[in-house]
Amino acid sequence: AQSVSQHNHHVILSEAASLELGCNYSYGGTVNLFWYVQYPGQHLQLLLKYFSGDPLVKGIKGFEAEFIKSKFSFNLRKPSVQWSDTAEYFCAVDNQAGTALIFGKGTTLSVSS
Amino acid sequence: DSGVTQTPKHLITATGQRVTLRCSPRSGDLSVYWYQQSLDQGLQFLIQYYNGEERAKGNILERFSAQQFPDLHSELNLSSLELGDSALYFCASSKGIRYTFGSGTRLTVV
Repeated sequence: AQSVSQHNHHVILSEAASLELGCNYSYGGTVNLFWYVQYPGQHLQLLLKYFSGDPLVKGIKGFEAEFIKSKFSFNLRKPSVQWSDTAEYFCAVDNQAGTALIFGKGTTLSVSS
Repeated sequence: DSGVTQTPKHLITATGQRVTLRCSPRSGDLSVYWYQQSLDQGLQFLIQYYNGEERAKGNILERFSAQQFPDLHSELNLSSLELGDSALYFCASSKGIRYTFGSGTRLTVV
């Protein structure tokens, strides 16, 4: 069965610091990979996704992620965080066979101004 | 508004009771997914329907059931509720690899 592991449960940063959130998945086949953000009281919003092609994916709000197939990883990065990036971040994977999107447990990011 | 509508937004009920959560997918999306979000378990996939048929099952308890109707809306039925069922229940719909999430139903079991 697919699973997704997010390494950091809670990350605390100051504004302008760089961010990297780790994500590893276990699935032997071809996958689509996603990062979602959830602001307090809101629905999940897509930050970026990878399904093929260039393994470095750029998303909204200055986020990017790199797919490293050999490491089964899809880490999220942002060079300089803002206070408004305070939210919960979820990595997710589906197996390109039309079955469900499986999520990691999420990482809470707190950015202080 | 994401395009996925979930009702009700909040629900408070007693242990042992039964509730029904409703989800209307984004227009044109045939797949509907249900997830349970709690502090200790994160976002757990419960069940997926595609065009009225069950497509995949995740960590869904036997006390829980779901269905998708001909108009593609879906209902999640939770019965014999326990305190531990208190959580945020999300619905999502998809077309290809575009997933859209609703705002969730916050269930509190007292």
